[in-house]
Amino acid sequence: DVVMTQSPLSLPVTLGQPASISCRSSQSLLHSDGNTYLNWFQQRPGQSPRRLIYKVSDRDSGVPDRFSGSGSGTDFTLKISRVEAEDVGVYYCMQATHWPLWTFGQGTKVEIK
Amino acid sequence: EVQLLESGGGLVQPGGSLRLSCAASGFTFSSYVMSWVRQAPGKGLEWVSAISGSGGSTYYADSVKGRFTISRDNSKNTLYLQMNSLRPEDTAVYYCAMGYCTRTGCFWGQGTLVTVSS
Repeated sequence: DVVMTQSPLSLPVTLGQPASISCRSSQSLLHSDGNTYLNWFQQRPGQSPRRLIYKVSDRDSGVPDRFSGSGSGTDFTLKISRVEAEDVGVYYCMQATHWPLWTFGQGTKVEIK
Repeated sequence: EVQLLESGGGLVQPGGSLRLSCAASGFTFSSYVMSWVRQAPGKGLEWVSAISGSGGSTYYADSVKGRFTISRDNSKNTLYLQMNSLRPEDTAVYYCAMGYCTRTGCFWGQGTLVTVSS
């Protein structure tokens, strides 16, 4: 199975400041079709997970442009350019390259300082 | 608008059974693979099972293989998860999810809580 490792696991941030979350996979997420299927999910308190980013850097519909994704191969990053109060929650990376066996990072809890 | 509505969760004793349902609307259900993902209280996300659009292919995590059965009724736009021989470690919120989540259109339901306890 592909193991996804996130860091940090806890991220206190100041409102208006940037935030960055790292995700590493135990093997390459490059699919045979040439795409890399790395997703980022946001889970706000008491809510179900919502996908923000797919294929490393494509934003889902309605996702603010302060969220961006980057990376390739086994190293990926989610960045929030200016953290807002509504961004509090847990963020998960998830690989879909090796469907059906989706695997997830441990989650990074973003909170306001 | 895509909607996924899970139901069927509840409290069950160890060794017991439960069947979860996920009612889907807003998309052509039979055209999409569907999955179940669970989240133990205060923990992360774990993929549980997946099924092809026709229902002819099914997949399971090792942790549930032989105990859980995924199925679907495309005439009713409904996904199921039959859970047998339940263990305390199966306690979690169970989410249904549509698609491969590789491109646009990756939606999850609001989840249903399963508690396995005596």
